[in-house]
Amino acid sequence: KTQVEQSPQSLVVRQGENCVLQCNYSVTPDNHLRWFKQDTGKGLVSLTVLVHENDKTSNGRYSATLDKDAKHSTLHITATLLDDTATYICVVGAPAGGNNKLTFGQGTVLSVIP
Amino acid sequence: EAAVTQSPRNKVAVTGGKVTLSCNQTNNHNNMYWYRQDTGHGLRLIHYSYGAGSTEKGDIPDGYKASRPSQENFSLILELATPSQTSVYFCASGASGYEQYFGPGTRLTVL
Repeated sequence: KTQVEQSPQSLVVRQGENCVLQCNYSVTPDNHLRWFKQDTGKGLVSLTVLVHENDKTSNGRYSATLDKDAKHSTLHITATLLDDTATYICVVGAPAGGNNKLTFGQGTVLSVIP
Repeated sequence: EAAVTQSPRNKVAVTGGKVTLSCNQTNNHNNMYWYRQDTGHGLRLIHYSYGAGSTEKGDIPDGYKASRPSQENFSLILELATPSQTSVYFCASGASGYEQYFGPGTRLTVL
């Protein structure tokens, strides 16, 4: 069973538009949720991390929310740029013997067109 | 900033051959990880290590071995490569698993 579900699977927006990516998960316990950006053919780069119930974070044009009760997170991208074209991956961390076990979503493929 | 490098970046191997993927990190992180990324799946953990000399099985270790000869280096070894191991492989390092820094990936094709 998929423990981290992301939607939509893919999304096309025009440059300058806003978009919202969703992440629902069933990982228990969950101690943090992180959003990564993966450019085509590249590694994962962390955008933001959410830790507490009802956390909200902001990193430039990226902002995220976490509802731990609902096990749901959103990533908002405002005023999209062509360089925002990438796969966005939601990752949930669970405590595991002093470290963290990460469960990855499949990603949302975002295409920003002129 | 964390620096994780992988080599080779691209590799074509034949079925039954031996493949070694290498990873190097320069941040003195204790933990290192090997994942594979396939269409339709999130990244899946193959092996990980808590320090030099240690290796642990992840979620999908079958067909893979790992080696951590030093703090900086972590290798993934496919003794008998199979076409099902065609994938993109990512190495990562981190202090506690809370934050992981990823390498650029190695694209492996097994013919």
